[in-house]
Amino acid sequence: SQTIHQWPATLVQPVGSPLSLECTVEGTSNPNLYWYRQAAGRGLQLLFYSVGIGQISSEVPQNLSASRPQDRQFILSSKKLLLSDSGFYLCAWSRVTYEQYFGPGTRLTVT
Amino acid sequence: SQQGEEDPQALSIQEGENATMNCSYKTSINNLQWYRQNSGRGLVHLILIRSNEREKHSGRLRVTLDTSKKSSSLLITASRAADTASYFCATDDQTGANNLFFGTGTRLTVIP
Repeated sequence: SQTIHQWPATLVQPVGSPLSLECTVEGTSNPNLYWYRQAAGRGLQLLFYSVGIGQISSEVPQNLSASRPQDRQFILSSKKLLLSDSGFYLCAWSRVTYEQYFGPGTRLTVT
Repeated sequence: SQQGEEDPQALSIQEGENATMNCSYKTSINNLQWYRQNSGRGLVHLILIRSNEREKHSGRLRVTLDTSKKSSSLLITASRAADTASYFCATDDQTGANNLFFGTGTRLTVIP
């Protein structure tokens, strides 16, 4: 069966510090991968998606970047965090179409 | 924006009652999905309805889709306290990348 992992679960970082969130998927190959951000009490905003290694598409201009160094690894990064980067970050995977499967999320607080 | 909008934003019912949540969207879709999120957790896929379907059932869930009105509803029958969660609708972007656009969610509280 497929499993998706995200870490860390929670993170508190000062403004201006770097960020690296990691997401890995087990039990499937060549998945579509997604990073979302959820502000408190709000819906999800799609940040990045990837249909293959090294293929990253960004949905919104922002302070963040994403990379996919391996087939089942998706990394969300920032060189310098802003206060507005605080939120709940969710990684998801899907096969070519339809249902997406979400990881447990990372709660990021930028202070 | 393609993002859906759910209403109500919050719903509180007694255990055993039915809960109905609505979703409206703006553009043409291939399918519409409903997800559930327990507080502080990831989302869990509940049900998918294709654009050529009008109604779909899964256990205690019933989803309807009206593409002429660009709206969908999720009905949870005989609610349980464990159904307490936020519920989101999501629509695809028709680009083939399977990107989903989520609404702002309905927060459901089922009182035991």
